[in-house]
Amino acid sequence: AQRVTQPEKLLSVFKGAPVELKCNYSYSGSPELFWYVQYSRQRLQLLLRHISRESIKGFTADLNKGETSFHLKKPFAQEEDSAMYYCALSALSGNTPLVFGKGTRLSVIA
Amino acid sequence: DGGITQSPKYLFRKEGQNVTLSCEQNLNHDAMYWYRQDPGQGLRLIYYSQIVNDFQKGDIAEGYSVSREKKESFPLTVTSAQKNPTAFYLCASSKGAGDYGYTFGSGTRLTVV
Repeated sequence: AQRVTQPEKLLSVFKGAPVELKCNYSYSGSPELFWYVQYSRQRLQLLLRHISRESIKGFTADLNKGETSFHLKKPFAQEEDSAMYYCALSALSGNTPLVFGKGTRLSVIA
Repeated sequence: DGGITQSPKYLFRKEGQNVTLSCEQNLNHDAMYWYRQDPGQGLRLIYYSQIVNDFQKGDIAEGYSVSREKKESFPLTVTSAQKNPTAFYLCASSKGAGDYGYTFGSGTRLTVV
């Protein structure tokens, strides 16, 4: 079974401080990992996916298969980063819907 | 302007009644999904459909039903058998199986009164 764990319900950081949102997963096959974000009064949207190895809005995430983690990081938090963040997983082979974690609310304090 | 539309935005239902939530997309996406979002629970999959006239149960399908008669539409019926229906319901679509650039709707908040 696929499972995604986001251990922090709420994470508060000061503006300019580094941010790390944790995500651990459980899956026996080859996973594809994603981060989705929901800003206040906006729709849930894709932030980044591990297979693209890209940086979006200053955020990066590296898949660590040994630790089964896909933590989201940003070196300097901005107030506009305040949002709900969801880590999601699916099989790399496709044909299965995304499994989401419970989400972490990031609050960036000015 | 392409997108995915959910209606209504707010819905109130009396206990014992069935209600249907609408989800329509004009993105020409093959796959559509229904998730339930509860505080502290994240998104849980109710049903999904990868092609017209076919759909599969998700993790919490009990008390729900769906249909996929048209590519553009994937309505969700919350039946009286659903024991705790008050929640926020999200519909999403994607180009197809294996494409995980999901486009989400703005959601429907269902309240049982």
